[in-house]
Amino acid sequence: EAQVTQNPRYLITVTGKKLTVTCSQNMNHEYMSWYRQDPGLGLRQIYYSMNVEVTDKGDVPEGYKVSRKEKRNFPLILESPSPNQTSLYFCASRSGVLRGQPQHFGDGTRLSIL
Amino acid sequence: DAKTTQPTSMDCAEGRAANLPCNHSTISGNEYVYWYRQIHSQGPQYIIHGLKNNETNEMASLIITEDRKSSTLILPHATLRDTAVYYCIVRVANTDKLIFGTGTRLQVFP
Repeated sequence: EAQVTQNPRYLITVTGKKLTVTCSQNMNHEYMSWYRQDPGLGLRQIYYSMNVEVTDKGDVPEGYKVSRKEKRNFPLILESPSPNQTSLYFCASRSGVLRGQPQHFGDGTRLSIL
Repeated sequence: DAKTTQPTSMDCAEGRAANLPCNHSTISGNEYVYWYRQIHSQGPQYIIHGLKNNETNEMASLIITEDRKSSTLILPHATLRDTAVYYCIVRVANTDKLIFGTGTRLQVFP
């Protein structure tokens, strides 16, 4: 089954403790992205990647890192999490082969930073 | 960046067609319009997309005006399970950047 898988689904942690949210897709998609969703602000893009070793900032990249060493994986790294990064996070991927292909989203990761 | 404007909320009776409008007056010639929906806090679900022509799939129809400045998503026979927030999105050309607006909260009632 074609899917985008995020782990963990839920995490409660403390300020300053490094964490990584993994994202994996099994569709051989070139493009992958991370979003965060906050009440009243909708979904905002954090980072995106157009292929292996190619990443670029979205609208809200501060405090986050990403890497794209393999096509299927696009982890989101919070080196020193802070409470303002408490949010619902979504990973998405899409094929870059055909123009206009839509993004497919994972089920989300709810992070709480205390 | 192209932006979209949608009504905050709409109601629709079960079994009737739901017509959700969207304005995207600053859209560029090579930018697609996408529609997604989100139920509670689940991941956004892709519905349909288009560039210039009207599109139809098993979920919905998309009507794009000739000047491409607005579009309408049509759910032909709304059900209670179609209650969700619907997002009209334009992707920034030559990037993978999607700009989500605040969406339309569609409430389908019996």
